[in-house]
Amino acid sequence: EADIYQTPRYLVIGTGKKITLECSQTMGHDKMYWYQQDPGMELHLIHYSYGVNSTEKGDLSSESTVSRIRTEHFPLTLESARPSHTSQYLCASSEYWAGAYEQYFGPGTRLTVT
Amino acid sequence: QKEVEQDPGPLSVPEGAIVSLNCTYSNSAFQYFMWYRQYSRKGPELLMYTYSSGNKEDGRFTAQVDKSSKYISLFIRDSQPSDSATYLCAMTTGFQKLVFGTGTRLLVSP
Repeated sequence: EADIYQTPRYLVIGTGKKITLECSQTMGHDKMYWYQQDPGMELHLIHYSYGVNSTEKGDLSSESTVSRIRTEHFPLTLESARPSHTSQYLCASSEYWAGAYEQYFGPGTRLTVT
Repeated sequence: QKEVEQDPGPLSVPEGAIVSLNCTYSNSAFQYFMWYRQYSRKGPELLMYTYSSGNKEDGRFTAQVDKSSKYISLFIRDSQPSDSATYLCAMTTGFQKLVFGTGTRLLVSP
């Protein structure tokens, strides 16, 4: 079983607040990913990282930012939350030489911005 | 047009039924085909993946890929109420990004 953790699991916050969604994995994986999932919609990649100090934007435009200072940690930050940011955010990881098909997902953070 | 099409359901079946879940895709470069299971309020869990065309079996689950038709299937035999979840198909060329379907919600009634 994959050991990838996300906190908080649920977050309700007001417009304009700064929030950070945490993602940690204990598997030593180099690659980490953030996806956004809305009800009835496919998962969309919003950020990914191939290692420390490496971050890239995904296919779906997002106002969030990420950082990768430690291998095991890949936090996502929204500087000023808006209702349009309401969604489920999923973190995933894989080994560096693994194909994209070997990603392990965390339990997700369900964010509601009021 | 989406690269991957998947019927959102819900698909309701009685316990013990054989379930067939399907996806179609448009990109002939896809080589790896995955099925994920996602329970409510949880992250996706990889069930199985198949490389290129053919069948793969794992217990009650069988994945089929027909690249000539750009069509993939997941069959669940002897379905159980614990199989009730959303099933996501996903595919990739290999080391590039995963492209997901929207997921099919499956309900297995006792």
